[in-house]
Amino acid sequence: SYELTQPPSVSVSPGQTANVTCSGDKLGDKYVSWYQQRPGHSPVLVIYEDSKRPSGIPARFSGSNSGNTATLTISGTQAMDEADYYCQAWDSSIPYVFGTGTKVTVL
Amino acid sequence: QITLKESGPPLVKPTQTLTLTCTFSGFSLSTSGVAVGWIRQPPGKALEWLALIYWDDDKRYSPSLKSRLTITKDTSKNQVVLTMTNMDPVDTATYYCAHKDSSGYFLDYWGQGTLVTFSS
Repeated sequence: SYELTQPPSVSVSPGQTANVTCSGDKLGDKYVSWYQQRPGHSPVLVIYEDSKRPSGIPARFSGSNSGNTATLTISGTQAMDEADYYCQAWDSSIPYVFGTGTKVTVL
Repeated sequence: QITLKESGPPLVKPTQTLTLTCTFSGFSLSTSGVAVGWIRQPPGKALEWLALIYWDDDKRYSPSLKSRLTITKDTSKNQVVLTMTNMDPVDTATYYCAHKDSSGYFLDYWGQGTLVTFSS
C-alpha cells in the first residue's frame, strides 16, 4: 500500500516561514493536497493539485511537489496558523491516502 | 453553498454494526465526476480514508477495511450511508463525510464530524 510520511512537528516564530514536508514514493507523479485542522475542528483544504489555493485561503499558503517530496510553505506565519496539517495524494490503488500529520506550533 | 452533516449513534457495542448517514446540500450526486467520501480520525491520531461513492454508483473502499464496509447513496434524499460491521473499540473515532469535486482528486468540503465511542 502507498504511504505518506510527515514530520510529527514543526515549530516556527511568528512572521517566519514554516515548511511542512510530505514524503512518498514518486510523489511528484501524483497530485498532492494539503488540509489544515485546528483543534476541535474539521479539516479545511488549503492547497490542491500541488500548488493551487482554494478561494478564501490566504496567499501565505503555498505548495510544491517534486521527486519524492511535497512541501507546504506558510510564509509570514500567524498565530492562527497553529494547527495540524495533513498531506493527501491520489493513488490508483487507494483513492485517498493521507499523511501521518504534522503539528505546526507558532512560538 | 455546499454543506454536509454526519449523523449516527454516539455509542455502539462491540460486534454491532454501525450505520452513519451523511446528509448534504448545495450539490447533486448525479453530477458527473462528483463523489462523497468517508474519513475517520481516532482521538489524537491521523486521518484515515474509508470509502468513496461516485455519481455513477462506482464505489471504492479502503483495502484494510473493505470486508466490513458498505457505502450507498440515495440521490433523491441527498444522502450517503456508510455501514461498518463487527465494530470494535479500536474503531472509536470521529467520522467525517466530505465532497469530492468533479474536476479533481481533493476533498473540498467536509462535514462537522460525528464521534463514535463504545459503551461497555
